[in-house]
Amino acid sequence: ETGVTQTPRHLVMGMTNKKSLKCEQHLGHNAMYWYKQSAKKPLELMFVYSLEERVENNSVPSRFSPECPNSSHLFLHLHTLQPEDSALYLCASSQGTRGPYEQYFGPGTRLTVT
Amino acid sequence: AQKITQTQPGMFVQEKEAVTLDCTYDTSDQSYGLFWYKQPSSGEMIFLIYQGSYDEQNATEGRYSLNFQKARKSANLVISASQLGDSAMYFCAMRADSYSGAGSYQLTFGKGTKLSVIP
Repeated sequence: ETGVTQTPRHLVMGMTNKKSLKCEQHLGHNAMYWYKQSAKKPLELMFVYSLEERVENNSVPSRFSPECPNSSHLFLHLHTLQPEDSALYLCASSQGTRGPYEQYFGPGTRLTVT
Repeated sequence: AQKITQTQPGMFVQEKEAVTLDCTYDTSDQSYGLFWYKQPSSGEMIFLIYQGSYDEQNATEGRYSLNFQKARKSANLVISASQLGDSAMYFCAMRADSYSGAGSYQLTFGKGTKLSVIP
């Protein structure tokens, strides 16, 4: 595997379900990101995890819970989601956060909440 | 706060022709970077080109060039000799290039422009 991978690529879940999205980077980077891409809206940064800092967008609801067990893996735990949470969730990684480092994106997970 | 505006929701271009995708930005940062990403229907965001605010020359990467006009705060993407594979969403983004606290280097994206290349 190379670059940034995400699983699953597609997910359909009910509002009462609990699921997790997984992201793995094979680039030796130290920072990972979750973005949400809704239709007709700009990409929205949800969370940042790095060795230097953790940044959370205050507008992200608590039904989204990130977990970063190490520098190569990032999870997004989902519970009691709403239909408006249906979107493409993109993971990205970079060398770090305290410098103008390039972000490399994964292919995304297309989430549909029914 | 940073803001990116892409005023063209959709664009059509004939194959082999050149096309310009518009991007204007607003920031109070003195040092910043401007990016263009391509997103095919598969979903992955593919980095195309980068322009630093202090770069005197416009960035070029193969068929992609960035028309950077700092005074007008615009960073338009020019694609020359369009190909069918260029059909995708294109996003302009910017990032502060100086540290001013947690989250300084995060990307701010525009809403994107959907480019369709016609045979």
